Amino acid sequence: GENVEQHPSTLSVQEGDSAVIKCTYSDSASNYFPWYKQELGKRPQLIIDIRSNVGEKKDQRIAVTLNKTAKHFSLHITETQPEDSAVYFCAASIHRWGNQFYFGTGTSLTVIP
Amino acid sequence: DTEVTQTPKHLVMGMTNKKSLKCEQHMGHRAMYWYKQKAKKPPELMFVYSYEKLSINESVPSRFSPECPNSSLLNLHLHALQPEDSALYLCASSPPGTGAPYEQYFGPGTRLTVT
Repeated sequence: GENVEQHPSTLSVQEGDSAVIKCTYSDSASNYFPWYKQELGKRPQLIIDIRSNVGEKKDQRIAVTLNKTAKHFSLHITETQPEDSAVYFCAASIHRWGNQFYFGTGTSLTVIP
Repeated sequence: DTEVTQTPKHLVMGMTNKKSLKCEQHMGHRAMYWYKQKAKKPPELMFVYSYEKLSINESVPSRFSPECPNSSLLNLHLHALQPEDSALYLCASSPPGTGAPYEQYFGPGTRLTVT
């Protein structure tokens, strides 16, 4: 099955700095890579995603890059704000058997004001 | 309606009780999921329903019994649970995938405590 690794597990940055979270996956059949933000006590919220036919996608302060050859993808948050503090999960999806999603272990991001 | 809803928000049950969790979506999604999430851990897949049929059971103990009565509803029946089953239970849905992957949206979850 698919194995998704995520680093770092914790990340602290000063407000206004950039944050980068990296994930690797093992199954070359994975073709969809979402990122979720989960605040304490709340549901995981889809913040950005990328499909395997695209190398980069941007949405305001958030961007995701995908390197299919190396099987890794990254989340970039620029001009971080305290409200960006949360746990971030990457995931990889293979379109088989009902779109199964495999999650990374999570990164706890703290933005220091 | 662009939401997945779940009831109840919180549930406390004894090890001999029988209870059910409910999930509903009206987005026309045809794949629905149950996940279990422990604190500071990623969601752990339990079951996947695709077009109202169980397509994935991740070796979940039989004390958890899923049911999909129709395309909008997903239930999780609980019986004889253990304290280690205490967790946040998340429901999710995604559109049907026919050759292309689709987004998955989560409900707010049910916080379950087994005493």
